Amino acid sequence: DAGITQSPRHKVTETGTPVTLRCHQTENHRYMYWYRQDPGHGLRLIHYSYGVKDTDKGEVSDGYSVSRSKTEDFLLTLESATSSQTSVYFCAISDRQATSYEQYFGPGTRLTVT
Amino acid sequence: GDSVTQMEGPVTLSEEAFLTINCTYTATGYPSLFWYVQYPGEGLQLLLKATKADDKGSNKGFEATYRKETTSFHLEKGSVQVSDSAVYFCALNGLQGGSEKLVFGKGTKLTVNP
Repeated sequence: DAGITQSPRHKVTETGTPVTLRCHQTENHRYMYWYRQDPGHGLRLIHYSYGVKDTDKGEVSDGYSVSRSKTEDFLLTLESATSSQTSVYFCAISDRQATSYEQYFGPGTRLTVT
Repeated sequence: GDSVTQMEGPVTLSEEAFLTINCTYTATGYPSLFWYVQYPGEGLQLLLKATKADDKGSNKGFEATYRKETTSFHLEKGSVQVSDSAVYFCALNGLQGGSEKLVFGKGTKLTVNP
């Protein structure tokens, strides 16, 4: 299994509070991604990173920010959590294989905003 | 843009039944194609892949063939088990495998009853 951990695994927070989720990898992969998974929507990309300090937006980036100060860590921050951000969040990593990019996923963080 | 369409679920089968989950795609050129599986409470795992036309990906008794003429990558298994109950995602890697992002279908939930 790819060495990807996410912390915390579960979190309950109140509307308006800041929340930071952490993704840590031991594979030295260049690319890291944050997704959210919601019923009826599948997986949606929030932000991704293509190197230290290099990040870009995905399709649902509003209300989220990210940072990557080290190759192994990718942080997702909700500056002021809202109930619509209740979801399961997955981190993924990737690197160029022979002919494609394969992504490997972490175990997920279940976030509830009350 | 690139897109993936997979059959809506849920799909319910009896043990030892034949499984097909349809997946079609729209993409420029020849993308790489993937099937991911998500067991309850876990992250996505790469199940199989194919990187060029007529390639067959296989793993754990599952198979899928890259059909360029029909732009399809249907997942099949000859005899399903209760342990195959999961959500299955079809995905593509655009730009002929050169894009660092994956495009996912919305997932198909499979339940296998004893």
